[in-house]
Amino acid sequence: AQSVTQLDSQVPVFEEAPVELRCNYSSSVSVYLFWYVQYPNQGLQLLLKYLSGSTLVKGINGFEAEFNKSQTSFHLRKPSVHISDTAEYFCAVLTSGGSYIPTFGRGTSLIVHP
Amino acid sequence: KAGVTQTPRYLIKTRGQQVTLSCSPISGHRSVSWYQQTPGQGLQFLFEYFSETQRNKGNFPGRFSGRQFSNSRSEMNVSTLELGDSALYLCASSLAPGLAGGNEQFFGPGTRLTVL
Repeated sequence: AQSVTQLDSQVPVFEEAPVELRCNYSSSVSVYLFWYVQYPNQGLQLLLKYLSGSTLVKGINGFEAEFNKSQTSFHLRKPSVHISDTAEYFCAVLTSGGSYIPTFGRGTSLIVHP
Repeated sequence: KAGVTQTPRYLIKTRGQQVTLSCSPISGHRSVSWYQQTPGQGLQFLFEYFSETQRNKGNFPGRFSGRQFSNSRSEMNVSTLELGDSALYLCASSLAPGLAGGNEQFFGPGTRLTVL
């Protein structure tokens, strides 16, 4: 069985500061990993994904994430946040070769203060 | 290219009633997935349809059902509504089924269902 833990339910940060949103997963087999962003009253938008290859993945809006197999983590980072990055962020895992049903974390609310 | 559209955007029902939600995928997309989002349970997969066939189903009771039409539009139905069914229901479309190979899903804005 696969599971995802987002360690922080809320992360407050000042504008132009760096941020890291943490995600740990549990799976006994190879995985695909995803980060999504959800703005108020909108659906989810894909930020980035890890399928294979380079462990450092770059996504949209200046976000990047690093896949760490030994620590089963896929933390999301941005070197300098903007007010417009205020949103809910979801990490998701998909077991390769499985039923392709994704499991989502509970979400992390990123709050950027001016 | 128009995005995924969901209708209605907001819905209020009472316990025991049934409800039908609609999703129109992006033109050319043949796969539609449905998710339930609640503060308590987070995002949970309901089911996925591809070419009018249900391919995967999440762990939800039989009161939750869906279907897909030949034009790829999809509907989900919830019968005998319970208070706990209050949620944001999200629909996502993709070219191919599932997330295999990193096939990207595009989400609609959701239908917010309130059960009184």
